[in-house]
Amino acid sequence: ELKVEQNPLFLSMQEGKNYTIYCNYSTTSDRLYWYRQDPGKSLESLFVLLSNGAVKQEGRLMASLDTKARLSTLHITAAVHDLSATYFCAVDILSNFGNEKLTFGTGTRLTIIP
Amino acid sequence: KAGVTQTPRYLIKTRGQQVTLSCSPISGHRSVSWYQQTPGQGLQFLFEYFSETQRNKGNFPGRFSGRQFSNSRSEMNVSTLELGDSALYLCASSLWGTSGGARNEQFFGPGTRLTVL
Repeated sequence: ELKVEQNPLFLSMQEGKNYTIYCNYSTTSDRLYWYRQDPGKSLESLFVLLSNGAVKQEGRLMASLDTKARLSTLHITAAVHDLSATYFCAVDILSNFGNEKLTFGTGTRLTIIP
Repeated sequence: KAGVTQTPRYLIKTRGQQVTLSCSPISGHRSVSWYQQTPGQGLQFLFEYFSETQRNKGNFPGRFSGRQFSNSRSEMNVSTLELGDSALYLCASSLWGTSGGARNEQFFGPGTRLTVL
């Protein structure tokens, strides 16, 4: 059974600082996703990582994937208050049918302190 | 292009009742997946439908069921509600295909918040 572990679970950061969220998964996967969720809201897709060594950046967020280590990271650069949210990584495995179920990490609740 | 829509957005039921939630996928998307989110268990996969067929199912009791219509709209039903069924139920839709890649990215709806009293 695929397991996805995220750490840390909670993260308080000062504005302007850098930090990294880690996502480890237990079996070979075809795709890794990062989502953002604001309180009481749905999931907003941030990144889709499809291959080993993939790196994607959007604003102050950068995600990378190392399929050999089964590790993805979400790096936050010069954090600002608007980035306060819960971040989830999710992994799925492609089947002959196409889509498989997403297995989510526990989430990292990020709070940016002014 | 309209996103995934879910109705109702909020629902309050009592134990023992049943509930039906609805999801309309993004136009052209044929795969619909359902997830349950609770503070204790996090985000858990319920089931996935494609072309009116359930292709994948998570580890939930038989009280949880779903279906998909020919227009790709999907419903999920929970019978004999329990307090532990209180959750945010999220629906996600995606394109289909065996080529994988970003084409199969799932887009989530706003969710239905179910409270069981």
